[in-house]
Amino acid sequence: YVLTQPPSVSVAPGKTARLTCGGNNVGRKSVHWYQQKSGQAPVLVISYISDRPSGIPERFSGSSSGNTATLTISGVEAGDEADYYCQVWESGSELPVIFGGGTKLTVL
Amino acid sequence: QITLRESGPTLVKPTQTLTLTCNFSGFSLNTDGVGVAWIRQPPGKALEWLALIFWDDDKRYRPSLKNRLTITQGTSANQVVLTMTNVDPVDTATYFCAHKRGTEMDFWGQGTLVTVSS
Repeated sequence: YVLTQPPSVSVAPGKTARLTCGGNNVGRKSVHWYQQKSGQAPVLVISYISDRPSGIPERFSGSSSGNTATLTISGVEAGDEADYYCQVWESGSELPVIFGGGTKLTVL
Repeated sequence: QITLRESGPTLVKPTQTLTLTCNFSGFSLNTDGVGVAWIRQPPGKALEWLALIFWDDDKRYRPSLKNRLTITQGTSANQVVLTMTNVDPVDTATYFCAHKRGTEMDFWGQGTLVTVSS
């Protein structure tokens, strides 16, 4: 199973960023999103498509349908500049944990 | 509060065996559904899942590396150890351990950079 993410997305401060994660029927899977700032460990920002862990701003939201899952960041701030990875769990697969290739979000 | 910390050598020679330890606190690996995963990230590249150990001692490995990886509970109840045999320069990466709650990795260690070079 393959998750496809665009390598880069650019957005101006205060605007909305939409980061996509494509996969066959990904809308039927539990998609998780991680934020990784430069030189740091990944942080879970969205779990199970649209749940926000404690401490994650409401500006972060998630959705999924068909073959695309989307992480939406509203009112983008400079501090949101990071790499973002989507991840799914493939139950019963030899490769249960699958990450997308990541998207670099640049705040202009 | 869940915390994890990776430790191990920073430099390993090709063909040697790499042993990494994940020391964790704030959870028990005996709790249903819980697991500890190892994930690596080569410089400038994406995250790559390597191995998982579950609360019931079930283990999963990345198929392409299965013959080289071993994940076990450590000598203490709060340790997980990953062993990788016959390392190569392409194994140069930052290695992370992470807490698996359901199907997500909700807490991560800071990572440890391992360089494979002669």
